[in-house]
Amino acid sequence: NAGVTQTPKFQVLKTGQSMTLQCAQDMNHEYMSWYRQDPGMGLRLIHYSVGAGITDQGEVPNGYNVSRSTTEDFPLRLLSAAPSQTSVYFCASSRGRDQPQHFGDGTRLSIL
Amino acid sequence: SQQGEEDPQALSIQEGENATMNCSYKTSINNLQWYRQNSGRGLVHLILIRSNEREKHSGRLRVTLDTSKKSSSLLITASRAADTASYFCAKGAGSYQLTFGKGTKLSVIP
Repeated sequence: NAGVTQTPKFQVLKTGQSMTLQCAQDMNHEYMSWYRQDPGMGLRLIHYSVGAGITDQGEVPNGYNVSRSTTEDFPLRLLSAAPSQTSVYFCASSRGRDQPQHFGDGTRLSIL
Repeated sequence: SQQGEEDPQALSIQEGENATMNCSYKTSINNLQWYRQNSGRGLVHLILIRSNEREKHSGRLRVTLDTSKKSSSLLITASRAADTASYFCAKGAGSYQLTFGKGTKLSVIP
């Protein structure tokens, strides 16, 4: 049972490039979410999904796009990378409302 | 705005001592959750306490919740070097979203 798997673990981009951060879970969880973690800021919610085909914005959605075509996968797309998006990105999943969340080990992203 | 603010921001103790971290929040909750994050890793769920509960235990962890004061505390007894990590509280308010605080960085010195 792998839990939540994120790829890649590390990535360096140039300003203006686009990329997709992958997230997959094998626990059949309906709820999935993306956070970014910056020093001194804790975790901030970017986007979330409550099931296949359903997504919504979190606290800091600008510059990011998501889709949820299957229960297992929830990719995060950076449309045009900016230095302000340098961060550690975490994907999480849970069974439902107010339930414990299971996190991946993160993607460390640097934008030059 | 972030709710679920932890206090202190950093804590350094000797192995074998107890560590207490506090979490305050501003609005009503359904539950409050505590997570641990080891350096370079994702968050790991530790314990969930519901709004109608006052205390919960899990091994060396004890969590209390005071809804009148809008605060919670996490106590780690007989700390070990392996407990060195950052600890976060997260508020559940009836939606799919959890609101995380900024964390307490705990260092346990062998």
